[in-house]
Amino acid sequence: SAVISQKPSRDICQRGTSLTIQCQVDSQVTMMFWYRQQPGQSLTLIATANQGSEATYESGFVIDKFPISRPNLTFSTLTVSNMSPEDSSIYLCSVEGQGENEKLFFGSGTQLSVL
Amino acid sequence: AQSVTQLGSHVSVSEGALVLLRCNYSSSVPPYLFWYVQYPNQGLQLLLKYTSAATLVKGINGFEAEFKKSETSFHLTKPSAHMSDAAEYFCAVGDSGTYKYIFGTGTRLKVLA
Repeated sequence: SAVISQKPSRDICQRGTSLTIQCQVDSQVTMMFWYRQQPGQSLTLIATANQGSEATYESGFVIDKFPISRPNLTFSTLTVSNMSPEDSSIYLCSVEGQGENEKLFFGSGTQLSVL
Repeated sequence: AQSVTQLGSHVSVSEGALVLLRCNYSSSVPPYLFWYVQYPNQGLQLLLKYTSAATLVKGINGFEAEFKKSETSFHLTKPSAHMSDAAEYFCAVGDSGTYKYIFGTGTRLKVLA
């Protein structure tokens, strides 16, 4: 299993500012994933972060708005840029297990409120 | 394209009663199916997963789910609800060998004393 530490756990931010969310995994993983969970909705994949290459973004998400870093095999950051109230969500970092452990492991999430 | 449908965004049961949370999937290939639980202010935790080894899958906390190919369903059940089961439950489908998991819209379970 993988243990994922995510911070901050919650934040309240002003419109127009940016917030960087950090995700640390206790083992080396090839891919890390960033999800968004809007109020009352399910999880939506934002992007996949591979170490040493640019992140792959899903439809509807762009790098300028959600820049991602992946400096090594255990760490990634997601920045929510130029925030608006519509960005208020829970942001979740996850990694996939391998083989028999194939499943997604999730961090505890970052609850973001934009005023 | 794969999809997941969870019937009932809110389900209420009495403590000690049967829990049944419904999930139907759409997939062109044998899928991996998962149930996750999310407690307030926490991330998602895996309850159980189906990977074709057995149609009845037992998970943590007394939950189980049965894969029914003919009905394209993967409903989650627990014989006797406990107050601590109150949470949001997500069904998800994923292809073997890919990283993309599709999540349902979730079912919030309320347990009444």
